[in-house]
Amino acid sequence: NAGVTQTPKFRVLKTGQSMTLLCAQDMNHEYMYWYRQDPGMGLRLIHYSVGEGTTAKGEVPDGYNVSRLKKQNFLLGLESAAPSQTSVYFCASSSTSGSHEQYFGPGTRLTVT
Amino acid sequence: GQQVMQIPQYQHVQEGEDFTTYCNSSTTLSNIQWYKQRPGGHPVFLIQLVKSGEVKKQKRLTFQFGEAKKNSSLHITATQTTDVGTYFCAGSGGYQKVTFGTGTKLQVIP
Repeated sequence: NAGVTQTPKFRVLKTGQSMTLLCAQDMNHEYMYWYRQDPGMGLRLIHYSVGEGTTAKGEVPDGYNVSRLKKQNFLLGLESAAPSQTSVYFCASSSTSGSHEQYFGPGTRLTVT
Repeated sequence: GQQVMQIPQYQHVQEGEDFTTYCNSSTTLSNIQWYKQRPGGHPVFLIQLVKSGEVKKQKRLTFQFGEAKKNSSLHITATQTTDVGTYFCAGSGGYQKVTFGTGTKLQVIP
């Protein structure tokens, strides 16, 4: 099992450019999440999904869109990147049973210039 | 919305000293989770507490959930260099999503 994978690992964008971050999990988890991590701010929830075809806003959703067309994939889109979106982005997934622990991907380091 | 605060933000300890981080929620939680993130890595789940007043141990780590289910603590006895990293609590009113604390960065001086 690969667990949770994220692509790309690094990306540099110019202000106004768009991009999509891909998250994939092979654990058949229902729940998936996108977080951003900034120094001193901890992990902040951007969007999440409780199942295929459903998404919901988290704490900091502005400037981002998501889609969950397949259960195993959760995409995060930036339509017009801004320097304030420079961050490390983590995807996570969790089961609906047991301890509900979240399994994190390795992260994507995004810089917007 | 729900807010989860952690203190201290940073802690430097000599190897062998004890370490404690505290987590406080603005609302009553149904459960609390703890994660560890090594430098340059991703958060890794340590444990979940569900019951009021619950105490769980993992080797040198002791986790507590407050009686009012609004606070929690993680205590490490006799720190080692392998304990270096950032420790996050994550509180939830349900199971669909959690709110992460700001984290405590632990540095262990050999």
